[in-house]
Amino acid sequence: DIQMTQSPSTLSAAVGDRVTITCRASESISNSLAWYQQKPGKAPKVLIYKASTLEGGVPSRFSGSGSGTEFTLTISSLQPDDFATYYCQHYNSYSRTFGQGTKVEIK
Amino acid sequence: EVQMVESGGGLVKPGGSLRISCATSGFTFTSAWISWVRQAPGEGLEWVGRIKSKASGETRDYAASVRGRFTISRDDSKDTVYLQMNSLKTEDTAVYYCSTEYYDILKYWGQGTLVTVSS
Repeated sequence: DIQMTQSPSTLSAAVGDRVTITCRASESISNSLAWYQQKPGKAPKVLIYKASTLEGGVPSRFSGSGSGTEFTLTISSLQPDDFATYYCQHYNSYSRTFGQGTKVEIK
Repeated sequence: EVQMVESGGGLVKPGGSLRISCATSGFTFTSAWISWVRQAPGEGLEWVGRIKSKASGETRDYAASVRGRFTISRDDSKDTVYLQMNSLKTEDTAVYYCSTEYYDILKYWGQGTLVTVSS
């Protein structure tokens, strides 16, 4: 099975900072990758799919890039509403696999 | 408006069984593929499994951790998906979410139902 590894596990940042989260796949997954945001006590929300396509209604400060085995989620200017946990997720025809998550905390 | 409402969670003993439900509205259920995702307390997300629509063969796929113990089914007359969980283990304790899939994306989610496996 394909494994997804995110780094860092925790990130401390201030409002206005540029934030980058990395997700690595154990083998090439082309661009079959999504990013989700989850706040405490809430269900996750999809931000990006196909590695770089922004879901409708998601602010443009979020962007995704990468293909193959290495992917990044970037928040260009961190806002108070962005403090949350972020997960990458690989999808193929028969399974889905999440990364372990990156918690973005207030510095 | 799309709505997904999980129910049926609770406390069950190790080795026991439980069936949880996901009632949906606001979209064409018969065409929908539905996934179950769980989250143990304080932990990350884990995909549990998925059921495709009848038109796609009603194929079921499962994570290795639950294959052979969990079964996903659907009732298109009730717009509802079920997760039957057998031979439960303490490590199955989690909030269980159902989610609709749109082109592989887990787009709409319920609020989750807590399953606790403990003696």
